[in-house]
Amino acid sequence: KAGVTQTPRYLIKTRGQQVTLSCSPISGHRSVSWYQQTPGQGLQFLFEYFSETQRNKGNFPGRFSGRQFSNSRSEMNVSTLELGDSALYLCASSLDGQFDASGTGELFFGEGSRLTVL
Amino acid sequence: KNEVEQSPQNLTAQEGEFITINCSYSVGISALHWLQQHPGGGIVSLFMLSSGKKKHGRLIATINIQEKHSSLHITASHPRDSAVYICAVRSHNTDKLIFGTGTRLQVFP
Repeated sequence: KAGVTQTPRYLIKTRGQQVTLSCSPISGHRSVSWYQQTPGQGLQFLFEYFSETQRNKGNFPGRFSGRQFSNSRSEMNVSTLELGDSALYLCASSLDGQFDASGTGELFFGEGSRLTVL
Repeated sequence: KNEVEQSPQNLTAQEGEFITINCSYSVGISALHWLQQHPGGGIVSLFMLSSGKKKHGRLIATINIQEKHSSLHITASHPRDSAVYICAVRSHNTDKLIFGTGTRLQVFP
């Protein structure tokens, strides 16, 4: 069974540009969540999608957006890039995102997309 | 004060030692995750628990909901256990995942 796939793995952009990152979840998983990891702030939750609907959103400006397609693949977009957006962007998939004892909310992470903004 | 606190921040051990990493949180939660991150960035979910204790191989995770505390234990540690261990809680109120700052573990042969 293929794992969570994120593309691209590495990318370099300049300030003011925009970027789109892609995440393909494990087959059958309907929940995809996105996270930003920086040395200063650590891991922070960006947003979560389930069945094409944004179920939750972290405390990030409107420049950060995302969507989920009918095949559960998800994309996130960052517009008007700033130097501080340089980070590792991770996505994770789970069966249904429910966090109960059944374990269907267990998270499976991709390898991440490392974005450098110059 | 962070909503999720981990201790210690850094930990070194000799191969074979018993290791404990602690996580305390201040919010009501629906679940707690223990994650492992190796150099290069990939994260692996070790445990997701909402009560009691779980064991997987040499790893044991416990949670005390009343005390808002969880521990991750590694028995017979090995150099391949060297990684950053991250505690994350799912807030019962906001349903958002809140992360601790991680514990960097180095196990020497």
